[in-house]
Amino acid sequence: ETGVTQSPTHLIKTRGQQVTLRCSSQSGHNTVSWYQQALGQGPQFIFQYYREEENGRGNFPPRFSGLQFPNYSSELNVNALELDDSALYLCASSLAAGDYGYTFGSGTRLTVV
Amino acid sequence: DAKTTQPPSMDCAEGRAANLPCNHSTISGNEYVYWYRQIHSQGPQYIIHGLKNNETNEMASLIITEDRKSSTLILPHATLRDTAVYYCIVRGQTGANNLFFGTGTRLTVIP
Repeated sequence: ETGVTQSPTHLIKTRGQQVTLRCSSQSGHNTVSWYQQALGQGPQFIFQYYREEENGRGNFPPRFSGLQFPNYSSELNVNALELDDSALYLCASSLAAGDYGYTFGSGTRLTVV
Repeated sequence: DAKTTQPPSMDCAEGRAANLPCNHSTISGNEYVYWYRQIHSQGPQYIIHGLKNNETNEMASLIITEDRKSSTLILPHATLRDTAVYYCIVRGQTGANNLFFGTGTRLTVIP
């Protein structure tokens, strides 16, 4: 059973640029969630995808968008990067139904300069 | 969504039990209590969850009070590898079932 894998592990971008982060969900999991974790803070929910549709969204602007593919992998896209977007971006997969736990990846560390 | 309150930090001697408290006084009747931990530079790791009854697995025990307004995560024999930030989370009631993390408790296991 493979866990959640994210790529790249580290990334440096310039303010105003666009970035795409990728996530492969754990085998058997059909739901993917994305979280942003600023330094010294707990993770904050960005959005969740189930069956290739957005299934809930946190308090993030539209320049944060995502995709889920038929194999349940997912992408997080951020347009017009701002300095405050510098954070650890975490992907978590789960089963849609029931009270199962989430499996998190190790994250992508994004630095915006 | 119900909020949780945890102490910012705790220390525990290696080999002793670590008892991490969490208050969730506004929890709704059908909300679960989840515990995750995050070791430095890694993603959060699921530990345990429960609704009403106490729960135990290979990692920890979860004790939920009868009124469900608080809970305690117990690591029975803490090791140095248990040093991490521990998050107590009440699962959100939106359709996405997302997790609302607070700032957690930083547990330091001391040799």
